[in-house]
Amino acid sequence: DTEVTQTPKHLVMGMTNKKSLKCEQHMGHRAMYWYKQKAKKPPELMFVYSYEKLSINESVPSRFSPECPNSSLLNLHLHALQPEDSALYLCASSPRWGEYEQYFGPGTRLTVT
Amino acid sequence: AQTVTQSQPEMSVQEAETVTLSCTYDTSESDYYLFWYKQPPSRQMILVIRQEAYKQQNATENRFSVNFQKAAKSFSLKISDSQLGDAAMYFCASYTGANSKLTFGKGITLSVRP
Repeated sequence: DTEVTQTPKHLVMGMTNKKSLKCEQHMGHRAMYWYKQKAKKPPELMFVYSYEKLSINESVPSRFSPECPNSSLLNLHLHALQPEDSALYLCASSPRWGEYEQYFGPGTRLTVT
Repeated sequence: AQTVTQSQPEMSVQEAETVTLSCTYDTSESDYYLFWYKQPPSRQMILVIRQEAYKQQNATENRFSVNFQKAAKSFSLKISDSQLGDAAMYFCASYTGANSKLTFGKGITLSVRP
């Protein structure tokens, strides 16, 4: 199973809402990543988790809060977002951090109103 | 620091023809990897092909092949027998162990004419 799944596929939220994005993989990978992607742009790395510990935070605003409850699951908690946070949020995983083969999920299309 | 440059924002190819997408990169590392990712309108990033810098032989995956010119720091993707399903945005990317991050180019939108 070489699949990374993400839910929901689409999310519309107001600026005062709290919501969460979910990512799962069952490939036994120990590194997981969150990327943000604007239309027609490359993905931008937000966070890296390695063995369930946060290894990289690319100076992401605190209104984005990642969580890795176990090796298969990665969440991104959203609170008080701005309209400019509207984007495609991609999750990826790799066998270990530093092992280059990253598998991407289909993404969550987030719209902040 | 790593940089990846894709200077062509768009290209078009006739179905069944061959097209080459250009990419140049810059890195001070001796050990690195290069990738081409495809992102169709369905949004999922799909790894098309990868090349290890230490390998001289150009990577090939079915209709996809690369022309890896290490000295020139060039890494182009050739798509043979183009199909309608090849229409997508293509990103060139590099990776080194030094920062353990994928560095993406700006991407190129490929359209396939029937």
